[in-house]
Amino acid sequence: DQQVKQNSPSLSVQEGRISILNCDYTNSMFDYFLWYKKYPAEGPTFLISISSIKDKNEDGRFTVFLNKSAKHLSLHIVPSQPGDSAVYFCAANEGYTGNQFYFGTGTSLTVIP
Amino acid sequence: DTAVSQTPKYLVTQMGNDKSIKCEQNLGHDTMYWYKQDSKKFLKIMFSYNNKELIINETVPNRFSPKSPDKAHLNLHINSLELGDSAVYFCASSHRPAGASYNEQFFGPGTRLTVL
Repeated sequence: DQQVKQNSPSLSVQEGRISILNCDYTNSMFDYFLWYKKYPAEGPTFLISISSIKDKNEDGRFTVFLNKSAKHLSLHIVPSQPGDSAVYFCAANEGYTGNQFYFGTGTSLTVIP
Repeated sequence: DTAVSQTPKYLVTQMGNDKSIKCEQNLGHDTMYWYKQDSKKFLKIMFSYNNKELIINETVPNRFSPKSPDKAHLNLHINSLELGDSAVYFCASSHRPAGASYNEQFFGPGTRLTVL
């Protein structure tokens, strides 16, 4: 049973516009969430994270929003750039009570120049 | 200077063979992982080692055996390979076990295993 879900397998956005990638989870014990970015033929690389004590974390063009009541998080990229084209994975764990990360199936983002 | 490296990058082999994938990290991390990414792109944990000790062993056939000779290495040996083993296998490492907050994983480039 998949505890972290990314229901949009792909997303296309014009350069300069906002990209919004969504992630839903089912385990209410999750309290730490991460986004990873993956280029073809490479491993995922860490992008940004958020703890459940926050509802927003910002790092440059990347902002992650967490809605705990809805068990939903989103990654906003603004402005989007062609180099952002990659697969984005959402991941979660249970913090100090858990022992593994659970990953979504990824969303492939294409930023059109 | 590669942080997490895996060899080989590609592996094509026949059913029934035994093969190994090696992983090394030079980040000084205590915890290492093996993930399998299947055809549906689902990234699923297989094993996790902390300080050379096994801490996660998900429902994986016992044909898969991880070996950690030291903290910097976690190798994956697969016996009697089957068609369904074809996937991309990622090694990863982190400072602490996954249960600790503010603790991201660093991934290797992946090994694409194809079983014919």
